[in-house]
Amino acid sequence: DARVTQTPRHKVTEMGQEVTMRCQPILGHNTVFWYRQTMMQGLELLAYFRNRAPLDDSGMPKDRFSAEMPDATLATLKIQPSEPRDSAVYFCASGSYRDRGSLGYTFGSGTRLTVV
Amino acid sequence: KQEVTQIPAALSVPEGENLVLNCSFTDSAIYNLQWFRQDPGKGLTSLLLIQSSQREQTSGRLNASLDKSSGRSTLYIAASQPGDSATYLCAVKVGSEKLVFGKGTKLTVNP
Repeated sequence: DARVTQTPRHKVTEMGQEVTMRCQPILGHNTVFWYRQTMMQGLELLAYFRNRAPLDDSGMPKDRFSAEMPDATLATLKIQPSEPRDSAVYFCASGSYRDRGSLGYTFGSGTRLTVV
Repeated sequence: KQEVTQIPAALSVPEGENLVLNCSFTDSAIYNLQWFRQDPGKGLTSLLLIQSSQREQTSGRLNASLDKSSGRSTLYIAASQPGDSATYLCAVKVGSEKLVFGKGTKLTVNP
């Protein structure tokens, strides 16, 4: 089965450090999303890309978060500097815009980030 | 702004019981609605997707309905099993590509 791969699965870091999370979308999918999940807020959309171009990053704190797609097989989410309130599970999802009305999206297993 | 609400937040039932999970959304202008399952420490698994023009979808013991005009969807699970224990999330697709999620219903099926 095709799947979305996220690395690392777990990350513990100290406040102020840079954190980079990576996502490999399903081959052929042209839409990639970054979501954050916390107990309080649930799942929130941070940013998404279509054909590697950022379409919406309004959910992201711009001063410390950045999202990029260096190529079609890699999406990155970077936090610099990290803060304890960034502790959450970060999910990547991919889908095909051509089939947006029929196929839905596939989620990765997430990166659990803890900032101490 | 679209808001998605899931009731109840948690549900505990004995094995074999039929159950219904509820999802409501505030704006009926949606492309589709999707039900996901999330196991502890894991990602989301898509269960059922209902297009805005459809009324229901079925997969095995699962049946999802959609009433767009009233902003409601239900997920019906027949003959529940302990393996069904998980958090069930409802999400609606709005605008171009965004999914707006509810906070989920945590289901426990007791043997």
